[in-house]
Amino acid sequence: DVKVTQSSRYLVKRTGEKVFLECVQDMDHENMFWYRQDPGLGLRLIYFSYDVKMKEKGDIPEGYSVSREKKERFSLILESASTNQTSMYLCASSWAVGGALHFGNGTRLTVT
Amino acid sequence: KQEVTQIPAALSVPEGENLVLNCSFTDSAIYNLQWFRQDPGKGLTSLLLIQSSQREQTSGRLNASLDKSSGRSTLYIAASQPGDSATYLCAVHTGANSKLTFGKGITLSVRP
Repeated sequence: DVKVTQSSRYLVKRTGEKVFLECVQDMDHENMFWYRQDPGLGLRLIYFSYDVKMKEKGDIPEGYSVSREKKERFSLILESASTNQTSMYLCASSWAVGGALHFGNGTRLTVT
Repeated sequence: KQEVTQIPAALSVPEGENLVLNCSFTDSAIYNLQWFRQDPGKGLTSLLLIQSSQREQTSGRLNASLDKSSGRSTLYIAASQPGDSATYLCAVHTGANSKLTFGKGITLSVRP
């Protein structure tokens, strides 16, 4: 079974802090994704990566950046956290572009 | 632009009922469609993936069908159980290189 692990289940940060959300997958998947999920808005794609060192903007990249130094690890960075970034953050991976997506358990981030 | 709709937003049924969850999409030129389950506060679990060339997929008590011409997919749950209570989301790939477009989900409650 594919395992996608997000390092934190819950995180509380202060406004202006730099925040790192870590995601690791153990199935040698090429593609990794970061989404945020908010009530009434559903899932929205922040960034994705089709290969190591590669990244592409999703639908809502503003205020975020990503890092993919190794194939199995995809990090989401909030450069200067703001209260409107309080959300559930979900990492996912897939073997192929257009392939089945496998999600981690999510990180509930609260910015105060 | 692809849009994915799931109606109703919530559903409550007694245990033992066979039920159908609907998903509709506006652009019928899809690559594949995936159904997910999400428990409260958790990530998404992949249930079934249907390629555009397929009409249905089955896994245990779950059966998903796809009708591209009418822009619809249904998830059939046989003999529902309280453990099936969760939010069910469908998501569509509108091309091999595209991102997923998610519906907002149907929250199912199965009453004992």
